[in-house]
Amino acid sequence: GESVGLHLPTLSVQEGDNSIINCAYSNSASDYFIWYKQESGKGPQFIIDIRSNMDKRQGQRVTVLLNKTVKHLSLQIAATQPGDSAVYFCAEMGTSYDKVIFGPGTSLSVIP
Amino acid sequence: GAVVSQHPSWVICKSGTSVKIECRSLDFQATTMFWYRQFPKQSLMLMATSNEGSKATYEQGVEKDKFLINHASLTLSTLTVTSAHPEDSSFYICSARDLILYQETQYFGPGTRLLVL
Repeated sequence: GESVGLHLPTLSVQEGDNSIINCAYSNSASDYFIWYKQESGKGPQFIIDIRSNMDKRQGQRVTVLLNKTVKHLSLQIAATQPGDSAVYFCAEMGTSYDKVIFGPGTSLSVIP
Repeated sequence: GAVVSQHPSWVICKSGTSVKIECRSLDFQATTMFWYRQFPKQSLMLMATSNEGSKATYEQGVEKDKFLINHASLTLSTLTVTSAHPEDSSFYICSARDLILYQETQYFGPGTRLLVL
């Protein structure tokens, strides 16, 4: 199956600080990007998405930034809370919308 | 709304036996369902795409005779791991795409943990 990388970077942040999780995607033709949160032993949970015709989108405490020039995606979490501790995956979908390809993921650990 | 369930949530089996995992969309119709496999501390790897009423499309490197997928209705897809071996032990996750809502929206199930002894 397809996958982007097999390692899992980690990020530790203090409770209340802002978190920034980065992702490099591979396909310049990808049209739609999603951030997922996965808690241990559970399926991925949708956080926020963005289309390729946008460079920023905000949700509740989360912001996604898209830089198509360098094929880079980031997720910013404001005022990080212990409940934010999880693995975060970026995912991309091409213009045919046939399937979602997941990035390698980043493990976020929030220090109380 | 938009809930996807999987059954069982975990299963332990002996090497050589077959295991069936069910994926159901509980409150919407899913023309397409996807099956992923996830090893510890790794990302989700797409195994196959399953369209209702037609044969599944498998990703490169995934053995279609070993991982049998059936999508007989708009709310149910099954993945059967045939002649399971310890290396098939993994976390299997399905997702479903809603027929009515946006084509890119996928809803994920809670996953099934398979341990082959």
